[in-house]
Amino acid sequence: GQQVMQIPQYQHVQEGEDFTTYCNSSTTLSNIQWYKQRPGGHPVFLIQLVKSGEVKKQKRLTFQFGEAKKNSSLHITATQTTDVGTYFCAGNPYNTDKLIFGTGTRLQVFP
Amino acid sequence: DAGITQSPRYKITETGRQVTLMCHQTWSHSYMFWYRQDLGHGLRLIYYSAAADITDKGEVPDGYVVSRSKTENFPLTLESATRSQTSVYFCASIPLLAGGFNEQFFGPGTRLTVL
Repeated sequence: GQQVMQIPQYQHVQEGEDFTTYCNSSTTLSNIQWYKQRPGGHPVFLIQLVKSGEVKKQKRLTFQFGEAKKNSSLHITATQTTDVGTYFCAGNPYNTDKLIFGTGTRLQVFP
Repeated sequence: DAGITQSPRYKITETGRQVTLMCHQTWSHSYMFWYRQDLGHGLRLIYYSAAADITDKGEVPDGYVVSRSKTENFPLTLESATRSQTSVYFCASIPLLAGGFNEQFFGPGTRLTVL
């Protein structure tokens, strides 16, 4: 079946260090979305990318959609303790209205 | 503006019992979804609905039943609960706008324990 994997599964960083999570799909996606889930909370939408090779920035966060539309990355510059949480990518394979979620990367930031 | 709500927020039940988790959204969004979240598996789609009276299976539908008689409600029923259905359940909705899909809005979740 269609799968979306994320690496790493966990990442512990010192505050101020950079962080990157990678998302890889077994099938081509029409779009990629990123969500953040704080401990004990629910997923909250961050951004959507739809074009091949697209790059978007939100302050310290940079999102990229691969040329083949099968992979994506989220990079956080100079992490802060407020960045703690689990980051999920999610995508719609072509010809389906299902959103397939990645396995998530849990980020822990030490002050 | 309540948005999307789920009830109950916490539920403990026994194996074999029927349990219904409620989801209600106030936006009249077209699509609604049910996910379960377990450690190591991320969010897995159980069922989804494109509109009232239209439902479809997701990745892990076995043991679950859904209905959508009204646009705003999307209840999820575990017909005979099993321990493997212990999980956190999230409901989500999305407006289908011109140009494709947009963000999913998630409810606060229901933590279900099956003893």
